[in-house]
Amino acid sequence: DTQLTQSPSFLSASVGDRVIITCRASQGISSYLGWYQQKPGKAPNLLIYAASTLQSGVPSRFSGSGSGTEFTLTISSLQPEDFAIYYCQQLNSDPLTFGGGTKVDIK
Amino acid sequence: EIQLVESGGGLVQPGGSLRLSCAASGFIFRKHDMHWVRQSTGGGLEWVSAIGTAGDTFYPDSVKGRFTISRENAKNSLYLQMNSLRVEDTAVYYCVRSPVELVDWYFDLWGRGTLVSVSS
Repeated sequence: DTQLTQSPSFLSASVGDRVIITCRASQGISSYLGWYQQKPGKAPNLLIYAASTLQSGVPSRFSGSGSGTEFTLTISSLQPEDFAIYYCQQLNSDPLTFGGGTKVDIK
Repeated sequence: EIQLVESGGGLVQPGGSLRLSCAASGFIFRKHDMHWVRQSTGGGLEWVSAIGTAGDTFYPDSVKGRFTISRENAKNSLYLQMNSLRVEDTAVYYCVRSPVELVDWYFDLWGRGTLVSVSS
């Protein structure tokens, strides 16, 4: 199975901060990577697919980059509604797998 | 309203069985590949099964031979039959949709989930 390692596991940030989350794959996955946001008590929500394409309706402060084994999710200016857990997902190889998550908390 | 609503979760003993259902509404169900994804209490997400529009099915090794995904397009419904349940199957189970416009299995619509607890 392709393992996805997210870093950091937890980060504390303030409103307005630029936040970068990294997802590393145990083997190359081309650009077959998605990012999801999950708020407490809710299901995950797709933010980005194909490593860098913004899902419809997602604010432009979110962006994704990378290919192969290293990927990043960037929030250019953190907003109060962005405090949540973020997960990456690969779909290059069977089975589909998710990263362990990064919790973004209020400083 | 476009939504997925799961039902059928509950408490079951190890070795037991449970059948989950998912009712889809607000979109053309038969056109979408559908999935079940679970989330343990520790937060980890795990893809559990998929079914294509033609009825082809896919499973990870962790549930292969124990779980069966099926769909009934006439009823806009998705199912997951879970047999030989183990304590480690305890999780919230989400019914999830893949978008028609993408060939790849991203997940663009999720239900609220149904809790399955496996315990003696």
